[in-house]
Amino acid sequence: NAGVTQTPKFRILKIGQSMTLQCAQDMNHNYMYWYRQDPGMGLKLIYYSVGAGITDKGEVPNGYNVSRSTTEDFPLRLELAAPSQTSVYFCASSYLLNVNQPQHFGDGTRLSIL
Amino acid sequence: AQSVTQLDSHVSVSEGTPVLLRCNYSSSYSPSLFWYVQHPNKGLQLLLKYTSAATLVKGINGFEAEFKKSETSFHLTKPSAHMSDAAEYFCVVSDSNTGNQFYFGTGTSLTVIP
Repeated sequence: NAGVTQTPKFRILKIGQSMTLQCAQDMNHNYMYWYRQDPGMGLKLIYYSVGAGITDKGEVPNGYNVSRSTTEDFPLRLELAAPSQTSVYFCASSYLLNVNQPQHFGDGTRLSIL
Repeated sequence: AQSVTQLDSHVSVSEGTPVLLRCNYSSSYSPSLFWYVQHPNKGLQLLLKYTSAATLVKGINGFEAEFKKSETSFHLTKPSAHMSDAAEYFCVVSDSNTGNQFYFGTGTSLTVIP
């Protein structure tokens, strides 16, 4: 059982380049989330989605875009990469709009902007 | 507003001795609380969750946590540390007012000394 799959695992970008971080889940979860984790910090929510076609901003959305065309996929787009976006990015999913349901996490994408 | 404070950024214990990782939360409503573990270069894995049932919650790998409303605490314990417990631990809060957002503490790094 795959769970939440993130690709790529590692990436180095130059300032100003763009890229898409991929996230897919095979658990038929309604809710999907993108977080970034900076050293010594907890996870900060970038964007989330409550279902296909519906997305909303989290705590730190600037510099990112998302789309949700299917239940399974929730890609995160960086349009103009900046050094401040160097971080580890985690995708997560959960089943219902229910605070009792835990989130399931991917293994992360480690992104460096040079 | 919801928030989570993990009182120790780093904890060191000897193998076979008890583990205590402290977490305090603030929530305006009945919270759901979670502990996650993150091993190096991996995503977050759910250890246990509190969702207004029994106040003493048992999780995987011998971990427990007790919800104390009067102290607004949700400390994580284990009677006997194992080398494989060395990891980063995150306390997370959510409640009905946050909808589908989860708030993460900054993490506690656990070192187990042989």
